[in-house]
Amino acid sequence: GAGVSQTPSNKVTEKGKYVELRCDPISGHTALYWYRQSLGQGPEFLIYFQGTGAADDSGLPNDRFFAVRPEGSVSTLKIQRTERGDSAVYLCASSLQGRGEQFFGPGTRLTVL
Amino acid sequence: QKEVEQNSGPLSVPEGAIASLNCTYSDRVSQSFFWYRQYSGKSPELIMSIYSNGDKEDGRFTAQLNKASQYVSLLIRDSQPSDSATYLCAVNRGADGLTFGKGTHLIIQP
Repeated sequence: GAGVSQTPSNKVTEKGKYVELRCDPISGHTALYWYRQSLGQGPEFLIYFQGTGAADDSGLPNDRFFAVRPEGSVSTLKIQRTERGDSAVYLCASSLQGRGEQFFGPGTRLTVL
Repeated sequence: QKEVEQNSGPLSVPEGAIASLNCTYSDRVSQSFFWYRQYSGKSPELIMSIYSNGDKEDGRFTAQLNKASQYVSLLIRDSQPSDSATYLCAVNRGADGLTFGKGTHLIIQP
C-alpha cells in the first residue's frame, strides 16, 4: 500500500512569505504528526492530530506556525512570515490509532532565503 | 524536559561484526521505544519497536530495553555496508509525539 506522502518535496521562499506544506497519511491511520529536522539533529516534534483535532500542539515554536486536518486525513502545516531560522526538513508521520509505530513521509525541505 | 541521549559517533564496525548502539532517556513515564534508520538525505525508516523489558529480535536486529536503568540498545549482527546510516533512538509515553536523540552515525567498513 501507499506510504505517507508529502508535497512539495522542496520549497524555496523569501523571508516574510507564507508557505503551506501538505501531508497525506497512510490510508486508515487516524493519528498524524508533524516534525521538523535540522542538519545533524533528530526530528523535533511539532504537533499531533487524532482525527480532525490537534491533540497536542505543544511543539509548535510560536504563533507563526499553524496546522489543520479538516477531514481527518490530509493535513496542512502553515507557516506565516517565514524566517531564515525556519529552514529545515519538515517531516510528517502517521500511525494507526495514535499508539505504536509511526511511519514517516519523505519530507519537505524548506529553504527561507 | 524529556531528553534522549545517544553517542553521535561515528561508530566504525568491520563488516560481519556486531554493531552495538546505545540510548538513554530521561522521562520515566516513557512506554514506547523505537529505532529508526536514516540514510543521508532520506527520511527516518522504522526498524524496531520495543515496549517491555528484555530483548526483541527481528532478523539481524535485536532491541534491548531496561526501564529501570532507562536504557535501550540496538544490536546489528553480521553488519553489512548497507547498514551504514544514522540510527535514531525515539521514545514516547504512548500516543504523544516522539522525542528523538540526535542519532549515532554508523559506518560499516568492508
